Amino acid sequence: QQQVKQSPQSLIVQKGGISIINCAYENTAFDYFPWYQQFPGKGPALLIAIRPDVSEKKEGRFTISFNKSAKQFSLHIMDSQPGDSATYFCAATIPNTGNQFYFGTGTSLTVIP
Amino acid sequence: GAVVSQHPSWVICKSGTSVKIECRSLDFQATTMFWYRQFPKQSLMLMATSNEGSKATYEQGVEKDKFLINHASLTLSTLTVTSAHPEDSSFYICSALDLAGGKLGQYFGPGTRLTVT
Repeated sequence: QQQVKQSPQSLIVQKGGISIINCAYENTAFDYFPWYQQFPGKGPALLIAIRPDVSEKKEGRFTISFNKSAKQFSLHIMDSQPGDSATYFCAATIPNTGNQFYFGTGTSLTVIP
Repeated sequence: GAVVSQHPSWVICKSGTSVKIECRSLDFQATTMFWYRQFPKQSLMLMATSNEGSKATYEQGVEKDKFLINHASLTLSTLTVTSAHPEDSSFYICSALDLAGGKLGQYFGPGTRLTVT
């Protein structure tokens, strides 16, 4: 059973555009929601994370929007650049209960010049 | 900060041999490390949770006698693939939890590409 559902599977965006990736979850006990960026042949790198006590978190061009009532969160990449082309994974975890992270299925983002 | 290294980055071995992969947290202590396997264009598949000083917890379907995990110190966990077969060829990634100061960061190593011939 997929604990975290991610969409779309792939995304093509024009340079300068906004990339939006969505995730949804069912377990209301999840309390920490990170996003990871992975380039081919590399390990994932932590990009940005949010806890459910805030509805939005912004770091540079990356913003997480969080909707607790809808149990959804999304990653927005503003002014998308070709260097942002990578696979993005959302995740969720329940702190202090084994700390297992549940990952989405990933979104392959391609930013075309 | 929060750097995790993995060694080797790639390895080719013959069928029937064993391969050891090391995962180190370089600038923080990690009581918990995770081992994942990733197939091309797919998500991360958790294999096991490694806790320092205790036995690893394996996910359903992962053979504990084939994938031996040892977390001997707060900065080192090892995964040994025993009697490797071609179907074990994959990208193996470790991660380490940084819980210092109330944080909850999971930091990944660069991965190890295993090819079994």
